[in-house]
Amino acid sequence: DQQVKQNSPSLSVQEGRISILNCDYTNSMFDYFLWYKKYPAEGPTFLISISSIKDKNEDGRFTVFLNKSAKHLSLHIVPSQPGDSAVYFCAASEIQGAQKLVFGQGTRLTINP
Amino acid sequence: AAGVIQSPRHLIKEKRETATLKCYPIPRHDTVYWYQQGPGQDPQFLISFYEKMQSDKGSIPDRFSAQQFSDYHSELNMSSLELGDSALYFCASSLETGGSLNEQFFGPGTRLTVL
Repeated sequence: DQQVKQNSPSLSVQEGRISILNCDYTNSMFDYFLWYKKYPAEGPTFLISISSIKDKNEDGRFTVFLNKSAKHLSLHIVPSQPGDSAVYFCAASEIQGAQKLVFGQGTRLTINP
Repeated sequence: AAGVIQSPRHLIKEKRETATLKCYPIPRHDTVYWYQQGPGQDPQFLISFYEKMQSDKGSIPDRFSAQQFSDYHSELNMSSLELGDSALYFCASSLETGGSLNEQFFGPGTRLTVL
């Protein structure tokens, strides 16, 4: 039972354009969401997070949007850069604090020059 | 800045052998998590420790055990290895400050290959 779903295994975007990665979840107890970026042979690198009390969090070129009623979140990267090419994982936990993360399957983002 | 350190980075074992993976969290981080990522899969939570006590347990086989030591480093012990144990094993650490957003920071992983 995949509680966190990333339905697009891959996404290709032109450099300079906006990249939008989507994530859906089924567990209504999740209230803390994170995005991680992963390069081959490296561990996931934390990008940005959002608590369920917010619907938007922005950090530089990265913005995460949360729609609790739809159980959907998205990561926007603008403008996209070649160095953004990586696998992006959406993750969720039930409450803030020392809680396990439940990951989606990942989306491989490729930024074309 | 110091990151999570995992050793070894690569490990090759035969079936039925044992393996020990080590994790050194970011300084002052008091919580350690272990995740297993199989080929083409998402990371799956195994077990976590807070202040040297097990805080949560996921899909960790009975053949595996783990502990966190007084210096907060953690070891994952794996016995009677099976072919299906071949995977990337990630350790992550965080600072449990109660009520605040705590991101988990991941190490580079240990790639275990069971032959």
